[in-house]
Amino acid sequence: DAGVIQSPRHEVTEMGQEVTLRCKPISGHDYLFWYRQTMMRGLELLIYFNNNVPIDDSGMPEDRFSAKMPNASFSTLKIQPSEPRDSAVYFCASSFRVGGETQYFGPGTRLLVL
Amino acid sequence: AQSVTQPDIHITVSEGASLELRCNYSYGATPYLFWYVQSPGQGLQLLLKYFSGDTLVQGIKGFEAEFKRSQSSFNLRKPSVHWSDAAEYFCAVGTSGTYKYIFGTGTRLKVLA
Repeated sequence: DAGVIQSPRHEVTEMGQEVTLRCKPISGHDYLFWYRQTMMRGLELLIYFNNNVPIDDSGMPEDRFSAKMPNASFSTLKIQPSEPRDSAVYFCASSFRVGGETQYFGPGTRLLVL
Repeated sequence: AQSVTQPDIHITVSEGASLELRCNYSYGATPYLFWYVQSPGQGLQLLLKYFSGDTLVQGIKGFEAEFKRSQSSFNLRKPSVHWSDAAEYFCAVGTSGTYKYIFGTGTRLKVLA
């Protein structure tokens, strides 16, 4: 299996621009998680999906962030408009079940907002 | 509330030396416990996990961890460190029936040749 795939690996954009991060989970996994990693706050769970349905988005920092999962093999995390404080590494992870099942992480997208 | 503490932000060891990375958690019931490793520019890779049963668990790359309920700890060990082990290590706790992993702040390991 190719593992969790994320694109792009690096993104540099200017403040105010829209940013879209993409994730392809491991085939057969029914849970998908979006995390953000910063030096100050460590790893934070933003949102997670079960069978393409958003279950909990309480970690999404504000309305500028949105996430979708139109099908079992694709998810997006969008930031509009982007701000410099959004600069971070964004990880996507997937698992077969929740509640202790191993989450497999993608390589991450390193976002820099100027 | 659940919490995970990794008291050591940085650790430096010589190649071939033994290693122990500390992890303490706070949770009322028996947690699910994980150790992940993150190499520079990479995602997190699972080293090992504990759900139940034998409190000494073996993982990949020669790592092991021991769950000690009385000390609320899940320390990661390796008898002989290799230069390629230089990375950041994260302890995480999860609970049955929930989706949230609580991650520690990480321990950055440096290996001296």
